[in-house]
Amino acid sequence: DVKVTQSSRYLVKRTGEKVFLECVQDMDHENMFWYRQDPGLGLRLIYFSYDVKMKEKGDIPEGYSVSREKKERFSLILESASTNQTSMYLCASSVAGGPGGYTFGSGTRLTVV
Amino acid sequence: DAKTTQPPSMDCAEGRAANLPCNHSTISGNEYVYWYRQIHSQGPQYIIHGLKNNETNEMASLIITEDRKSSTLILPHATLRDTAVYYCIVTMYQTGANNLFFGTGTRLTVIP
Repeated sequence: DVKVTQSSRYLVKRTGEKVFLECVQDMDHENMFWYRQDPGLGLRLIYFSYDVKMKEKGDIPEGYSVSREKKERFSLILESASTNQTSMYLCASSVAGGPGGYTFGSGTRLTVV
Repeated sequence: DAKTTQPPSMDCAEGRAANLPCNHSTISGNEYVYWYRQIHSQGPQYIIHGLKNNETNEMASLIITEDRKSSTLILPHATLRDTAVYYCIVTMYQTGANNLFFGTGTRLTVIP
């Protein structure tokens, strides 16, 4: 019954590498989000998208970009990974135009060495 | 979005009701109250939301005070699997994407 799937549970990358985090949802949701979660800081929004090819910056977009070529898929890209991007990354989706809740994926724990 | 205040941690005996409080004194008339929880090493899970009236679903009940400045999430019969961090979030209904600000939440520990 998995509805939001993140491609990797754990990932280790080297500084300077280009990193792709993939997220797929099967609920036909319009909205998709990328968060990062760090101890003591809660969840912080990186980017979100409310339609195919549309994207909006969240609170901490620096060092990241996103791609949404298909409705069900939202990719987070770290152009040149740095150690301060070591974090848990969470993808979520929601229905447009309603107050309903978000559905989150299980997260990707990224370590940049 | 209105800011929320939650206690950092709470304990609850297994089988008893867990009452998690949240203050949101600056809430505006069109802002909803949402609750999520996050079990260790998993993504957050939506629990319930409400605007003015009390709400109940299969997971929990949400009690919102008449002035809407605070709310309480009630887990009626807590189990060990309810041990998690619980987040109270206040945000407006939007036609586009809803940006939910997650603070640091309340860490609930259910004790056998």
